[in-house]
Parts: sequence; structure tokens; C-alpha cells
Amino acid sequence: LVLTQSPGILSLSPGVRATLSCRASQSVSSSYLAWYQQKPGQAPRLLIYGTSNRATGIPDRFSGSGSGTDFTLTVSRLEPEDFAVYYCQYYDYSPGITFGPGTRVDLK
Amino acid sequence: EVHLSESGGGFVQPGGSLRLSCAASGFSFSTYAMSWVRQAPGKGLEWVASIIGSGDTTYYADSVKGRFTISRDNSKNTLFLRMSSLRTEDTALYYCAKSLFYGDFWDWGQGTLVTVSS
Repeated sequence: LVLTQSPGILSLSPGVRATLSCRASQSVSSSYLAWYQQKPGQAPRLLIYGTSNRATGIPDRFSGSGSGTDFTLTVSRLEPEDFAVYYCQYYDYSPGITFGPGTRVDLK
Repeated sequence: EVHLSESGGGFVQPGGSLRLSCAASGFSFSTYAMSWVRQAPGKGLEWVASIIGSGDTTYYADSVKGRFTISRDNSKNTLFLRMSSLRTEDTALYYCAKSLFYGDFWDWGQGTLVTVSS
């Protein structure tokens, strides 16, 4: 299983909507698709699990959707603290645990 | 509060060995699957290995299978990663992570750096 994320870099201004894409090389279960946020010098943080469920403490401006091979993370209105790298991930016993290459959200 | 603290990283020559530890606190350690995830300098995340709560079953990425061994001591709330036949491409920050299911990484340590170089 290969996960592809697009775009590689997203340059946006605070307050706008961000849409990040994750595409799987084969159809996967939406129960095991997650998104993580990582800021420089920090460990990753789980944002979304099971495609659309927000992890504990995650603001509701973050939302996830998708099915089959196409999944999306949306940040409804970018806050200054949201500029970071975002990884999608698939986790299941088969075909195993895989991360996408990441999308960096930069301040425009 | 969940706390994960990795240690054991360092500098090692190619072909060498190293053992990483992850001390856990703030939760019932033996209940949860634990994993190692690594990140090469300036690169993305790569899952390395996972072990279920009892320690009976382990899973490995193809890139480390046969060279790395994940284990745990539930009496000491500690996760281990024994790394042997190390290669330069194993150079990375190694994180331990806690799952609720398997592979859903809810909690992370701050990582320990492994550098493989001659």
C-alpha cells in the first residue's frame, strides 16, 4: 500500500480554508485512516482517526472525510498554530502501517 | 497523564547494534499496543515495529525485519527496540508511541536520535 499526499506544499494565509489530499494505491477501509500534525522540533500529534473522528482535544476546525482511495483533511479557517506538516496514515494488520510523505502548510 | 520517555540512542558504526528503551507512565501499560516510529533527518515518518499488550505478537516493517526486535517488560512499564546490523539508512529520530487499537498513535515520546556512520 502506498499513500500519496498532495500538494507537497500549501502556501496559505491565516483565516482561509485548507484542503489536503491523501490517495491510497488500493482501496482501504475508512476505519483505519488517520491524520497527524507535526510542528518543527515536536513529535507528531494525532488529529483524526477512522477518517473523520477527531482525537481528544482537537479543535472542530479540523475535519476529515473520504472513502475507498481518496481522503481529505480540511482545516476550515487556518489559525497561526496550524502551519505545520500533515501526514496521512493507514493502520491495519494487513497491509500494515503506512504513512504518506506529508503536506507542508506554509504561511503565505 | 501519559508520559513516554525514550533513551538509548547514540552514535554507532555500520554493522553495529544498539538497544533503545521507552519508559511509560500514566496508563495501564500492559493493556496497550506499543510501537516504534522513526524519522530520518528532514524526512517523513516511517513505522518500524509494533507489539501487542501481552507481548505475544509483534509486527515489523520490511525494512527492519530480521535486524530489529521489539519487546516489552510489562512489570517495568518499558518498551524496547533491539537494533542490529545497523545501516546508515537507519539514522533517524526514533519515537515510541502508544496505540488504542493498533497503529493509531495517540501518544508519543520526544524521541531518541540514532546515528549510524563510519
